[in-house]
Amino acid sequence: SAVISQKPSRDICQRGTSLTIQCQVDSQVTMMFWYRQQPGQSLTLIATANQGSEATYESGFVIDKFPISRPNLTFSTLTVSNMSPEDSSIYLCSVEGGADHISYEQYFGPGTRLTVT
Amino acid sequence: GQQLNQSPQSMFIQEGEDVSMNCTSSSIFNTWLWYKQDPGEGPVLLIALYKAGELTSNGRLTAQFGITRKDSFLNISASIPSDVGIYFCAGLNAGNMLTFGGGTRLMVKP
Repeated sequence: SAVISQKPSRDICQRGTSLTIQCQVDSQVTMMFWYRQQPGQSLTLIATANQGSEATYESGFVIDKFPISRPNLTFSTLTVSNMSPEDSSIYLCSVEGGADHISYEQYFGPGTRLTVT
Repeated sequence: GQQLNQSPQSMFIQEGEDVSMNCTSSSIFNTWLWYKQDPGEGPVLLIALYKAGELTSNGRLTAQFGITRKDSFLNISASIPSDVGIYFCAGLNAGNMLTFGGGTRLMVKP
């Protein structure tokens, strides 16, 4: 499977500020995804990040709040803008297919644990 | 939207016991995935199922893709302390969107 890293691994931020989370993959992948996992909850898809086009956002998530970049096939960023305590969550990136290019299987990064005070 | 009902929500078992958990949905899925998440980590893919009726094993883990394509189960045999964690099912629909179940928190008593 693909090796996925995220930076930062955790952060504590003040409300009203923004944080950009980076996701790096060790191989080229077509599909990258960003998820949110609120404390004690399951994973919810925020958006799909495709190289060369705008991200596709799921219901309840908007580009102004969660802008995403996908400059190439191995990297993506998610920004959490104008943060409030309700944004405290784990943010995870995932890729589809991995290094062996088996489609439909999604592999996850280690996550970024965000706490907003 | 689609929802996956995963049960049980939590289990506290004795080491050596077998474990069973399942997911059901009102919608059809084309692929079922089972993940395990340890504290402070991202989910790790355990088993992927692609065909209705498919039964797949990975060591002590066995998972099946239900015939109706609306359910899946995961069994863990002879549990050990390192099996502790949260197990998630996830279904992939025709639009390639992954929907996660609520998770099963497994605790193993040595």
